[in-house]
Amino acid sequence: EAQVTQNPRYLITVTGKKLTVTCSQNMNHEYMSWYRQDPGLGLRQIYYSMNVEVTDKGDVPEGYKVSRKEKRNFPLILESPSPNQTSLYFCASSRQVKGNEKLFFGSGTQLSVL
Amino acid sequence: AQSVTQLGSHVSVSEGALVLLRCNYSSSVPPYLFWYVQYPNQGLQLLLKYTSAATLVKGINGFEAEFKKSETSFHLTKPSAHMSDAAEYFCAVSSNTGNQFYFGTGTSLTVIP
Repeated sequence: EAQVTQNPRYLITVTGKKLTVTCSQNMNHEYMSWYRQDPGLGLRQIYYSMNVEVTDKGDVPEGYKVSRKEKRNFPLILESPSPNQTSLYFCASSRQVKGNEKLFFGSGTQLSVL
Repeated sequence: AQSVTQLGSHVSVSEGALVLLRCNYSSSVPPYLFWYVQYPNQGLQLLLKYTSAATLVKGINGFEAEFKKSETSFHLTKPSAHMSDAAEYFCAVSSNTGNQFYFGTGTSLTVIP
């Protein structure tokens, strides 16, 4: 089944403790991206990747890191999480880097930073 | 940068009534526009997309949207609401380079039996 898989589904952590949210797609997609969803703000793009070893900042990259060493994986790293990073996070992928491509979304990761 | 504005963060309709969710875009060139739906505790799914082939776009589950350049709008409609349509709906636009997507703040649709 074609899918984008995120783990974990829920995560509670404390300020400053490094964490990684994993994202994997099995569709051989070129494009992958991370979003955070906050009430009243919709989805905002954190980082995106156009292919292996090619990543770039979205609109809200501060406090986050990403890597794309393999085509299928695009982990989101919070080196020193803070409470303002409490949010619902989504990974998404698309077949190509074209504006008319459909995005496939993971089920989300609810992160709470205490 | 591109942007979309969704008017109305909450919309309630009766079952069987018309659904109208509003989206206006800001773009200097004809954009690619999308509507996504998010059911509780799930990721977003594509409802439909506009890619300049036709101004009236039909999507899944009986939804459609009309691209109106003169009004910079891409409103989502469905003639008859069903209980299963209760969800959050997001309008989105892609950047001119196609490597970024900008989402609206979302509209939560409630369907009253």
